[in-house]
Amino acid sequence: NAGVTQTPKFRILKIGQSMTLQCTQDMNHNYMYWYRQDPGMGLKLIYYSVGAGITDKGEVPNGYNVSRSTTEDFPLRLELAAPSQTSVYFCASSYIQQRRGNSPLHFGNGTRLTVT
Amino acid sequence: GNSVTQMEGPVTLSEEAFLTINCTYTATGYPSLFWYVQYPGEGLQLLLKATKADDKGSNKGFEATYRKETTSFHLEKGSVQVSDSAVYFCALSDVNNAGNMLTFGGGTRLMVKP
Repeated sequence: NAGVTQTPKFRILKIGQSMTLQCTQDMNHNYMYWYRQDPGMGLKLIYYSVGAGITDKGEVPNGYNVSRSTTEDFPLRLELAAPSQTSVYFCASSYIQQRRGNSPLHFGNGTRLTVT
Repeated sequence: GNSVTQMEGPVTLSEEAFLTINCTYTATGYPSLFWYVQYPGEGLQLLLKATKADDKGSNKGFEATYRKETTSFHLEKGSVQVSDSAVYFCALSDVNNAGNMLTFGGGTRLMVKP
């Protein structure tokens, strides 16, 4: 059981380049999330999805885009990389049946991105 | 809005010492509370949770009690091991949040010396 798989693990981008961070889960979870983790800071939610075809902005969506064409995959796109996007990015998933905040999130191992 | 405040680290302890990591929160309604742990090079893993006031979450020797009167969810362990060295995140999930979003504290790094 792989859980949540993120690729790549590391990446260095030049300013203005674009890239896609991949995320896939094999647990048939309906909810998926992208967080960024900056040094000494808690995780900030970038985007989330409650199911295939449905996405919504989180706390810090500017500079990012997402899509959710399947239940399993939730890629994060950076169109014009900026130094402020240097961070560690975590994808997560969960299964929600009711609107009750007690379903744990399953996290991937993260992608460390540096923009120079 | 919702917020979570944790004590700043790093917290450095000797093996078998008692651990407390403080966590307080601000939220509307009645949130669920969580502790997540992040080992080096890995993603976060759920350590324990509590869904209502006075609940005690426990796992792997760690405990935390949901204190509504003091809006706190402090993490404790009676005897830490070197293998407990990690970053610990307190988080809340508000039932009113669409998408079951978690609000995280800034994390507290624990270093346990042999």
